[in-house]
Amino acid sequence: DAGVIQSPRHEVTEMGQEVTLRCKPISGHDYLFWYRQTMMRGLELLIYFNNNVPIDDSGMPEDRFSAKMPNASFSTLKIQPSEPRDSAVYFCASSNDRVRLFFGSGTQLSVL
Amino acid sequence: RKEVEQDPGPFNVPEGATVAFNCTYSNSASQSFFWYRQDCRKEPKLLMSVYSSGNEDGRFTAQLNRASQYISLLIRDSKLSDSATYLCVVPGEYGNKLVFGAGTILRVKS
Repeated sequence: DAGVIQSPRHEVTEMGQEVTLRCKPISGHDYLFWYRQTMMRGLELLIYFNNNVPIDDSGMPEDRFSAKMPNASFSTLKIQPSEPRDSAVYFCASSNDRVRLFFGSGTQLSVL
Repeated sequence: RKEVEQDPGPFNVPEGATVAFNCTYSNSASQSFFWYRQDCRKEPKLLMSVYSSGNEDGRFTAQLNRASQYISLLIRDSKLSDSATYLCVVPGEYGNKLVFGAGTILRVKS
């Protein structure tokens, strides 16, 4: 199995631009999670899906953030407009039991 | 009280040493706990699950103390390759999602 695949690995953009992060979960996993990691705040859950349905988006910072899961093999996290404080590593993870998570390699986002 | 707390370290130990980390949690109803390992600039990876009877996997032992609401991770015969950040993970207050601790940094030196 290829594991959780995220793209891009690195993204550098200017403030105000739209950023789209992509994730392909492990086949057969019913849960998909988006996390953000910073030195100050550690790993924070942004949103998670079960069977493509958003279950808890209480961690999404504000309306600038949105996430979709149009099918079982693909999810996106979009930030529009991006701000420098959004700079972080964004991880996607999938699971078949909600508690044992398999993480992707992450996207290092830098907003200038 | 925070949902999960860890000593950030770093713990600097020589090869071959035994080292232990603790992690305290606030949700007394929590049933399952986990330790993840995160190497520098890498993603977190599941190291061990911790259930009521604890868990042992080779040099690694995880234990649960419900009375004091903490879990521990013991590493025996430390290797250079054990150097990483160890993240404690517990169910959140409402049990519907996991909460990651800030992590404990371990540095094993030769």
